[in-house]
Amino acid sequence: QVQLVESGGGVVQPGGSLRLSCAASGFTFSSFDMHWVRQAPGKGLEWVAIILYDGYNKYYADSVKGRFTISRDNVKNTMYLQMNSLRVEDTAIYYCARKEGSWVQIDYWGQGTLVTVSS
Amino acid sequence: QSALTQPASVSGSPGQSITISCTGSSSDVGGYNYVSWYQQHPGKVPKLIIYDVTNRPSGVSNRFSGSKSGTTASLTISGLQAEDEADYYCSSYTTSNTVLFGGGTKLTVL
Repeated sequence: QVQLVESGGGVVQPGGSLRLSCAASGFTFSSFDMHWVRQAPGKGLEWVAIILYDGYNKYYADSVKGRFTISRDNVKNTMYLQMNSLRVEDTAIYYCARKEGSWVQIDYWGQGTLVTVSS
Repeated sequence: QSALTQPASVSGSPGQSITISCTGSSSDVGGYNYVSWYQQHPGKVPKLIIYDVTNRPSGVSNRFSGSKSGTTASLTISGLQAEDEADYYCSSYTTSNTVLFGGGTKLTVL
């Protein structure tokens, strides 16, 4: 069965960095585009970034462009999100998610990892 | 990149039908047939219930249906059940090669 397991969350000070990982199993990871989506505590969903199946094409939300970098290792079946220059407003649960078909057809989600940016 | 506009809350009684709207622009909802809807129960991960405006994933009840007119997409839930009480989010592909979500709608089953 499809499994997505995020890790790497924690507490970091404003201006700090963190790298999230998403370990995938139960499907051919290298054939699927993958998203990061976040949700601030008690708030709605916010799309963060997408990386296409081969790792060459990446797109970002304006709110994280220039600060976050999405990447993947198709040998390790793992996706990453490098987050630099973190701000208080980046505090959220970060979900990795699989894209099936169109960009908005997100069929599997991980359980999420909490990132807290606080001094 | 402003979020798509959804009503903050809607409510209905068991057995009734409700509709949740999702308003965007010609650069997102109005420009493509790439609108999805997600259901999220408290403390749970989102679940895809409608994709590409009208399509239901396997296993999703046919009480859920989607449509679109111009720059507004809609989710209709018929025969409301207590288990439908949740938050609902729309999302759309955009001309900027990004994805926008709506602010979310809390559905209360009275």
